[in-house]
Amino acid sequence: SQTIHQWPATLVQPVGSPLSLECTVEGTSNPNLYWYRQAAGRGLQLLFYSVGIGQISSEVPQNLSASRPQDRQFILSSKKLLLSDSGFYLCAWSVLPGNTEAFFGQGTRLTVV
Amino acid sequence: AQKVTQAQTEISVVEKEDVTLDCVYETRDTTYYLFWYKQPPSGELVFLIRRNSFDEQNEISGRYSWNFQKSTSSFNFTITASQVVDSAVYFCALSGTGGFKTIFGAGTRLFVKA
Repeated sequence: SQTIHQWPATLVQPVGSPLSLECTVEGTSNPNLYWYRQAAGRGLQLLFYSVGIGQISSEVPQNLSASRPQDRQFILSSKKLLLSDSGFYLCAWSVLPGNTEAFFGQGTRLTVV
Repeated sequence: AQKVTQAQTEISVVEKEDVTLDCVYETRDTTYYLFWYKQPPSGELVFLIRRNSFDEQNEISGRYSWNFQKSTSSFNFTITASQVVDSAVYFCALSGTGGFKTIFGAGTRLFVKA
């Protein structure tokens, strides 16, 4: 069966520090991968998606970047965190893009102080 | 533009009550997909149902049921005989054709009290 791992679960980082969140998927090949951010009281905002190794699409301009160095690994990064980067970050995967259900990791609660 | 509106921010019910979570969507696509996800306190979203725009049949799965009405652009979710374990945030989502972007509503937080 397929599983998705995301870590760390919580993170407190100072403003201006770098960020690296990692997500890996097991039990499937060539998944579509996604990074979402969930702000308090709001829905999920798609940040990045990837259809293959090295292929990253960004949905919104921001202080973050994503990379996919391996088929089942998806990394969210920042060189210098801003206070506004605080939030709940969720990694997800799907078999097909958009019109099939997505499977989510347990999320990372990021607090920038 | 695509949009999903969940007007109910929070709902509180007593166990065994029935509760309906509303979802209204906007899209210009003729083919699209609607989803419901549950986010328990642990944080991960759990997929509940997917419905495509050509299938307006209502769906029932145990205590859960979904009412899809294209005429009113609504895809409502009903929990019958609610239980404390149903307490969670529920998201309605919409995906059109040809794109990767799934639009999520703001979510409805459901509290079920014993």
